[in-house]
Amino acid sequence: AQSVTQLGSHVSVSEGALVLLRCNYSSSVPPYLFWYVQYPNQGLQLLLKYTSAATLVKGINGFEAEFKKSETSFHLTKPSAHMSDAAEYFCAVISGAAGNKLTFGGGTRVLVKP
Amino acid sequence: DAGVIQSPRHEVTEMGQEVTLRCKPISGHNSLFWYRQTMMRGLELLIYFNNNVPIDDSGMPEDRFSAKMPNASFSTLKIQPSEPRDSAVYFCASSPGTSYNEQFFGPGTRLTVL
Repeated sequence: AQSVTQLGSHVSVSEGALVLLRCNYSSSVPPYLFWYVQYPNQGLQLLLKYTSAATLVKGINGFEAEFKKSETSFHLTKPSAHMSDAAEYFCAVISGAAGNKLTFGGGTRVLVKP
Repeated sequence: DAGVIQSPRHEVTEMGQEVTLRCKPISGHNSLFWYRQTMMRGLELLIYFNNNVPIDDSGMPEDRFSAKMPNASFSTLKIQPSEPRDSAVYFCASSPGTSYNEQFFGPGTRLTVL
């Protein structure tokens, strides 16, 4: 069964500093991986997705993620944090026999300090 | 594009009452998902539909929960009778196609059962 693990339920970064959110996956088939962001009192919004094309995936708001098969990882980064990046971030992997279910990690809440 | 529409946005009810949550997926999407989000359990998939047919309801917590999708543009999630432990944010999401696509989330319904 496919699963994802997000290391760190809370991350605190200074404005302008690197944001690094860790995600490791477990999958018996080539994975389709996603990062979503949830701002307070809102639904989840897609940041980026990996679908077996380029291993470095660029998303919205300056975020990118790199797929590393050898490490079974799909970490999310942003070179310079902005106050507006304060949110909760979820890593997810496609699962289910038909490939249409998403299994989410536990989420990482990002706090940006001025 | 209006996105996924959910109503109501907030619902406060008393234990034992029936609660009905509503969702309108994005036009043209043929997969619909209901999720529940709590602090303790994170984001849980309750049930999903393909082409209006329930495919996997293994996440529905108990018989008090039921979901229907009478047509491609409308779905309901009903809780009868409601209990305080059902208090959560309920999200509806829709997806185009049947495999390996991202899901688009609605803004959620915050349910409080007193």
